[in-house]
Amino acid sequence: AQTVTQSQPEMSVQEAETVTLSCTYDTSENNYYLFWYKQPPSRQMILVIRQEAYKQQNATENRFSVNFQKAAKSFSLKISDSQLGDTAMYFCAFLLGGVGTASKLTFGTGTRLQVTL
Amino acid sequence: KAGVTQTPRYLIKTRGQQVTLSCSPISGHRSVSWYQQTPGQGLQFLFEYFSETQRNKGNFPGRFSGRQFSNSRSEMNVSTLELGDSALYLCASSLVDTEAFFGQGTRLTVV
Repeated sequence: AQTVTQSQPEMSVQEAETVTLSCTYDTSENNYYLFWYKQPPSRQMILVIRQEAYKQQNATENRFSVNFQKAAKSFSLKISDSQLGDTAMYFCAFLLGGVGTASKLTFGTGTRLQVTL
Repeated sequence: KAGVTQTPRYLIKTRGQQVTLSCSPISGHRSVSWYQQTPGQGLQFLFEYFSETQRNKGNFPGRFSGRQFSNSRSEMNVSTLELGDSALYLCASSLVDTEAFFGQGTRLTVV
């Protein structure tokens, strides 16, 4: 079974600064995907970024980037130029690859990020 | 393009009752999955349906069931409600096996 660990329950960052959220995972599989989801107070779970395990290059989406260390089973999220709208709960999630595994995501416990003025 | 739609948004039920939640996936998506989110247990996978067939199931009692219709809309049913079933129930739809898009959830309160 896969596990996902987020060791930072809460974090705070000032507007325009950079923050990094940590995530580690455990799996014996080679074919998998990793995600960061954002859940603002509206409760909508929004996909922030996705990383395929077979890709060595770290994924980037505008101000969001990841540091994927496959050997260390680490998948951190860096948010640059933080904005007030980034305030949310952030979940790291694992998805086993292969047919028939769609959407059976394993989530971490989340990190509550507060962006302040 | 419309997103994933869950109805109702809020629900209050009494212990022992049953409840049905609905999820309409993004047009063209054939996979629908359900998650339960609680403060104590976090986000937990309930089950997933693909082309009207349950393809995956999480570790929940038989009181939790679901189905999917030919138009890919899905319903989730919980029978004999318990206080511990109070949670946010999230539905997600997928076009391919590598990405899930979530609805806004149904907040169920059992009293």
